[in-house]
Amino acid sequence: KAGVTQTPRYLIKTRGQQVTLSCSPISGHRSVSWYQQTPGQGLQFLFEYFSETQRNKGNFPGRFSGRQFSNSRSEMNVSTLELGDSALYLCASSGGRLVAKNIQYFGAGTRLSVL
Amino acid sequence: DQQVKQNSPSLSVQEGRISILNCDYTNSMFDYFLWYKKYPAEGPTFLISISSIKDKNEDGRFTVFLNKSAKHLSLHIVPSQPGDSAVYFCAASAKGGSEKLVFGKGTKLTVNP
Repeated sequence: KAGVTQTPRYLIKTRGQQVTLSCSPISGHRSVSWYQQTPGQGLQFLFEYFSETQRNKGNFPGRFSGRQFSNSRSEMNVSTLELGDSALYLCASSGGRLVAKNIQYFGAGTRLSVL
Repeated sequence: DQQVKQNSPSLSVQEGRISILNCDYTNSMFDYFLWYKKYPAEGPTFLISISSIKDKNEDGRFTVFLNKSAKHLSLHIVPSQPGDSAVYFCAASAKGGSEKLVFGKGTKLTVNP
């Protein structure tokens, strides 16, 4: 079974630009979550999508947005990039059924550098 | 405020000995806890989890202990191997309608041959 796939693996952008990151979950998983990892803050929750609907959102500005498609693939977008957006962006997928706790499985991440 | 804390940024142990990684939490709504291992340039890999209705869960060399009254959990690795050298993250999930995980900042484990 293929794991969580994130593309691209590396990105270099300049301030003010926007960026779109992509995530393909494990087959059959319906929940996709996004996290930002920085040296100072660790892993922080951005948002979660389930069945094309945002189910939860972290404390990030509106410049960070996402969406999920009918095949459960997800994209996140960051507009008007700032230097502080440089981070590793991780996507995780899980079954998403809330009747039981689910294990989230992570992709390798997209390393974004903002210059 | 940091709801999940890993107070030791690093830990060094000898191969074959026990590694004990600790994690404290503050949110009483957390009911599911997970440990992940992370190598550089890779995503976190799931290791082991525990529900709040249990106080211990074992999987091979890995055992997680949960002390709800102290809001404390620990991961024991026995015996430790050089391949276990990585950053270990503790994560917690709260009751309710979301898969959101709250992570600690990680503990870097080094197992020396």
